[in-house]
Amino acid sequence: DAGVIQSPRHEVTEMGQEVTLRCKPISGHDYLFWYRQTMMRGLELLIYFNNNVPIDDSGMPEDRFSAKMPNASFSTLKIQPSEPRDSAVYFCASSQSNSGIVTQYFGPGTRLLVL
Amino acid sequence: SQQGEEDPQALSIQEGENATMNCSYKTSINNLQWYRQNSGRGLVHLILIRSNEREKHSGRLRVTLDTSKKSSSLLITASRAADTASYFCATPTGANSKLTFGKGITLSVRP
Repeated sequence: DAGVIQSPRHEVTEMGQEVTLRCKPISGHDYLFWYRQTMMRGLELLIYFNNNVPIDDSGMPEDRFSAKMPNASFSTLKIQPSEPRDSAVYFCASSQSNSGIVTQYFGPGTRLLVL
Repeated sequence: SQQGEEDPQALSIQEGENATMNCSYKTSINNLQWYRQNSGRGLVHLILIRSNEREKHSGRLRVTLDTSKKSSSLLITASRAADTASYFCATPTGANSKLTFGKGITLSVRP
């Protein structure tokens, strides 16, 4: 069974451009999480969905960030306009709730560099 | 503030030695998890210990949990160069559906 799939794996863009990151969760998982990882701030939860519905977006840094999950097998994280401080590795993770305990499966990440 | 905080921040050992990593957390939990991240990769779940368990083993991994001290330790026995990675503890927050990760411990195992 394929794990969490993310695309692109690497993205280099210029400040002001729109960036769209994509994620396909593991089939059957009902939770999807978006994280950002930097050396300075570590791993930060940006937003998570349950059954395609956003539950908590308190980690989204500002209005330039938006996330959608139109169906159970696809989610996007969009940054518009992008800024150099958005440079980071963005991870998508999915999980299946099991008696209230959630173990997360991470994708390989998208390494974003904004020039 | 971080729910889970690991120490030390970095650990360097010789192949064959044991590596012990610690995690402290602040609020009551029903489970604690450890993850590993190899360079350039996503995190991988290693082991989960429930609040009613004191110790758990998985291969060369041994995890302990002391709920009275709000702390956990991860022991890797007979370390190998392939164990070189960052290790994170994670604890549930909110409605238990999300996890808060520590900043991680960088483990280097010298061949």
